[in-house]
Amino acid sequence: NAGVTQTPKFQVLKTGQSMTLQCAQDMNHEYMSWYRQDPGMGLRLIHYSVGAGITDQGEVPNGYNVSRSTTEDFPLRLLSAAPSQTSVYFCASSPPRTGGETQYFGPGTRLLVL
Amino acid sequence: AQSVTQLDSHVSVSEGTPVLLRCNYSSSYSPSLFWYVQHPNKGLQLLLKYTSAATLVKGINGFEAEFKKSETSFHLTKPSAHMSDAAEYFCVVRHTGGFKTIFGAGTRLFVKA
Repeated sequence: NAGVTQTPKFQVLKTGQSMTLQCAQDMNHEYMSWYRQDPGMGLRLIHYSVGAGITDQGEVPNGYNVSRSTTEDFPLRLLSAAPSQTSVYFCASSPPRTGGETQYFGPGTRLLVL
Repeated sequence: AQSVTQLDSHVSVSEGTPVLLRCNYSSSYSPSLFWYVQHPNKGLQLLLKYTSAATLVKGINGFEAEFKKSETSFHLTKPSAHMSDAAEYFCVVRHTGGFKTIFGAGTRLFVKA
């Protein structure tokens, strides 16, 4: 298994540009989630999904969209990038029938918005 | 409402000495509690979890944590630090049956030779 993969590893955007951060897992996990990590603030939940076709907002959803058309993929879209979205983004997934308790994290995407 | 407070932003120990990373939590429901570790430029790895079974939880790499409801604490300990333990550690809370997770701000552990 490749586990949780994220692309790209690094990205530089200009204010107002849009982009999609990709996340995929090959472990047949039901739960997937997106976090952002900022210095001194730990990780904050952006959006999560409990299965294909089902998504919900986390703690800091504004400026981000998600969809879950397949079990494997959970892309995060930035509609109009802002400097406040400069951060490291982590995708995570959880096995079925665990209530999302144990999360497996991807390696992260480092985003800089100028 | 749930919250997590990691009481130290940085902890420095010498190799071979004990490690103590402190975490207090607040939860209106029965919590599930976790410790994750993040090595530089890496993703997060689960160290251990408490989900209302034994209050003393053993994790990987010799770490353990004790759930103390009366003190609302879930401190992480290790008897003898190793250089490879240098990393950032996150305490995490979820209420059992829920999905939203709350991360602490993190504690960076330095290990001196």
